[in-house]
Amino acid sequence: DAGVTQSPTHLIKTRGQHVTLRCSPISGHKSVSWYQQVLGQGPQFIFQYYEKEERGRGNFPDRFSARQFPNYSSELNVNALLLGDSALYLCASSPGTGGREKLFFGSGTQLSVL
Amino acid sequence: AQKVTQAQTEISVVEKEDVTLDCVYETRDTTYYLFWYKQPPSGELVFLIRRNSFDEQNEISGRYSWNFQKSTSSFNFTITASQVVDSAVYFCALIPNDYKLSFGAGTTVTVRA
Repeated sequence: DAGVTQSPTHLIKTRGQHVTLRCSPISGHKSVSWYQQVLGQGPQFIFQYYEKEERGRGNFPDRFSARQFPNYSSELNVNALLLGDSALYLCASSPGTGGREKLFFGSGTQLSVL
Repeated sequence: AQKVTQAQTEISVVEKEDVTLDCVYETRDTTYYLFWYKQPPSGELVFLIRRNSFDEQNEISGRYSWNFQKSTSSFNFTITASQVVDSAVYFCALIPNDYKLSFGAGTTVTVRA
């Protein structure tokens, strides 16, 4: 069975641009969450979605938004990119509501903002 | 607010040595879950263990063991007889009632042959 897949794997953008990151959960998983991992730090929670509804949001500005589609895949959008948005963006899925479950992570999208 | 502290930034050992990773957490909630994840160089976090706040039993799984002590808010992780394949970054994480998972800064473990 396929694991969590994220695309693209690497992305280079310039300040002020917009970016869309994509995530396909493991088949049968209904919850998707997004994390930002800056080099040398632990992942920081951005969003969690379950059954297409937002269940949780971390301390990130409104430039960050996300959605979950009927097939449970998800997109993370970041507007007006800043240099500080450069990070590894990780997506995770889980079968249920996701809150306290074991999470299955993808390999991430490495975003570089120049 | 919750916080997870992993005081050790890096640990380097020789193969077959034991290594213990410390994790201290803070939360005001009485019900919470603790996790350990491993991040190899490929970047993908891999789940190792989950423990809820009502279960203070220590656990052993192969060469891995965990010591949960609620009185000291600690959830330490030991790798026995380390192997080169254990080289990775290890993260402790906490999720209380607000369903937002908080990770520590991670401990980089390097096992030398």
